[in-house]
Amino acid sequence: GDSVTQMEGPVTLSEEACLTINCTYTATGYPSLFWYVQYPGEGLQLLLKATKADDKGSNKGFEATYRKETTSFHLEKGSVQVSDSAVYFCALSAGGKLIFGQGTELSVKP
Amino acid sequence: ETGVTQSPTHLIKTRGQQVTLRCSSQSGHNTVSWYQQALGQGPQFIFQYYREEENGRGNFPPRFSGLQFPNYSSELNVNALELDDSALYLCASSLAVGRVTDTQYFGPGTRLTVL
Repeated sequence: GDSVTQMEGPVTLSEEACLTINCTYTATGYPSLFWYVQYPGEGLQLLLKATKADDKGSNKGFEATYRKETTSFHLEKGSVQVSDSAVYFCALSAGGKLIFGQGTELSVKP
Repeated sequence: ETGVTQSPTHLIKTRGQQVTLRCSSQSGHNTVSWYQQALGQGPQFIFQYYREEENGRGNFPPRFSGLQFPNYSSELNVNALELDDSALYLCASSLAVGRVTDTQYFGPGTRLTVL
């Protein structure tokens, strides 16, 4: 069945460092892909999305490109801030439901 | 524009009891999906409601049931609570056209603890 695999965390970075969180997926067809972010004690917020191959989603300095050939949707940011500390979830849409990865916790130190 | 809201925020129940969680969808949305997020895990799809009918269900037993109302708000009911039902329950709303749903937007969740 459809699935999403994320790199395991936690990831600890210093402020202004570069971030990459790997995400790969298995799916029949061509699902839409998403990154959601969850701050402590809160629900999920949509960070960015891409609906077809080669689309690039971007928001708040974060980017991810839908790569059909490698079935990947890696999240990147050039310079992280302390306020980016959160858990990041990669997800795909399959038949109307979202299938999530296990989440990657990011901790950014000043 | 009002976002997705959920109530209550926290809930403590004992094993065997029943619980009802509520969700108000974002303005203009007609579809509600429910997810269970265990501690340290990604959310798992429970079911989805589109125009008051169930429109897909995940791998959850029948004691998990739901409703959607004409104003598109929704309830999640869980009977015969078990300890493993302790989790954050997330509601997400979206706009579907012909049962094909667009991006889902999440509420803040209800934290359920079963003792």
